[in-house]
Amino acid sequence: EAQVTQNPRYLITVTGKKLTVTCSQNMNHEYMSWYRQDPGLGLRQIYYSMNVEVTDKGDVPEGYKVSRKEKRNFPLILESPSPNQTSLYFCASRPGGTDTQYFGPGTRLTVL
Amino acid sequence: QQQVKQSPQSLIVQKGGIPIINCAYENTAFDYFPWYQQFPGKGPALLIAIRPDVSEKKEGRFTISFNKSAKQFSLHIMDSQPGDSATYFCAAYRPTGANNLFFGTGTRLTVIP
Repeated sequence: EAQVTQNPRYLITVTGKKLTVTCSQNMNHEYMSWYRQDPGLGLRQIYYSMNVEVTDKGDVPEGYKVSRKEKRNFPLILESPSPNQTSLYFCASRPGGTDTQYFGPGTRLTVL
Repeated sequence: QQQVKQSPQSLIVQKGGIPIINCAYENTAFDYFPWYQQFPGKGPALLIAIRPDVSEKKEGRFTISFNKSAKQFSLHIMDSQPGDSATYFCAAYRPTGANNLFFGTGTRLTVIP
């Protein structure tokens, strides 16, 4: 089944404890993105990647890192999480040159 | 700067009503306008989309109206059902540029039985 998977789905952590949210897609898509969703603010893009080893900042990149060492994986790294990073996070992918985006199921992160 | 402006933020209608969600954009380079539907606990999924060479597109009970001169487009849900209760996002896509898909802020729709 073609899909975008994220892990974990739920995570509660404490301020300053490094964490990684994994994202993987099995559709051979070139583009991958990370979004955060907050009430009243909609989907805000954190980082995106056009292909392996090519990443760039989205609208709200502060406090986040990403890497794209393989085409299928695009992990989101929070080196020192803070409470304002409590949010619902979505990974997404799409083929290059097309406009339909496929979203993962989301990761709900709480930073205490 | 919000590339796509969406309203209202939330909407409550009775079953059978016709909720309308509106979006506006400025960048004339956009050439594809999708709507995504998100149920609680799920990621957004493509619902319906339109290109600017047509003024309306229907798929089942969902209709997009597009006004190119006003740079506005809207989603209408005919005969709305409680199962349509979800968050709806409009988006706009431009074929050039590295980062080329932009989302509205979302509308939470509740359809009351």
